[in-house]
Amino acid sequence: AQSVTQPDIHITVSEGASLELRCNYSYGATPYLFWYVQSPGQGLQLLLKYFSGDTLVQGIKGFEAEFKRSQSSFNLRKPSVHWSDAAEYFCAYIDSGYALNFGKGTSLLVTP
Amino acid sequence: NAGVTQTPKFRILKIGQSMTLQCTQDMNHNYMYWYRQDPGMGLKLIYYSVGAGITDKGEVPNGYNVSRSTTEDFPLRLELAAPSQTSVYFCASSPGTINGYTFGSGTRLTVV
Repeated sequence: AQSVTQPDIHITVSEGASLELRCNYSYGATPYLFWYVQSPGQGLQLLLKYFSGDTLVQGIKGFEAEFKRSQSSFNLRKPSVHWSDAAEYFCAYIDSGYALNFGKGTSLLVTP
Repeated sequence: NAGVTQTPKFRILKIGQSMTLQCTQDMNHNYMYWYRQDPGMGLKLIYYSVGAGITDKGEVPNGYNVSRSTTEDFPLRLELAAPSQTSVYFCASSPGTINGYTFGSGTRLTVV
């Protein structure tokens, strides 16, 4: 069955440090992949999406993600983390159905 | 532009009671979705709709019902509330299957 896996439940980084959040997908064809962010007590906001073409996609808030077919990964990166980036991050995909399927999320803590 | 509006924001129900979670969007999106979010589990799809008059089950539909009489509204009905339905519920909409979703701010429901 198709799925996405986020191996890290919690990640802690220092403010100003670089960030990489992992997402692995299991799917035969190239899926439509997304990253969403959820700030505490809020709904989810789309950071970026990948459908095809360039494997490095740019998103909002300085985030980017790289699709690597050979590693079945779609990792989210940011070169310098700000305290306001502390949130829950979800990788998601759409397969042949109509709706997004979400990973279990990675909680990001940013320390001073 | 209000986006996706969910009401109420919080609700406590007794076991066996019923209630309707309201969801309205003003973006003329055809696609609407209901998810539930439980700690550490990501978001699970309850029901979705691809247009007025058309609804379909998602991954966890048991105990819920929906209707879609207009493009704008997509209410979620709980008929006999159970403690297992304690969760945060999110409504979302999108203009198409591969577009990013716009999420509401959620309804936190506790069944006691």
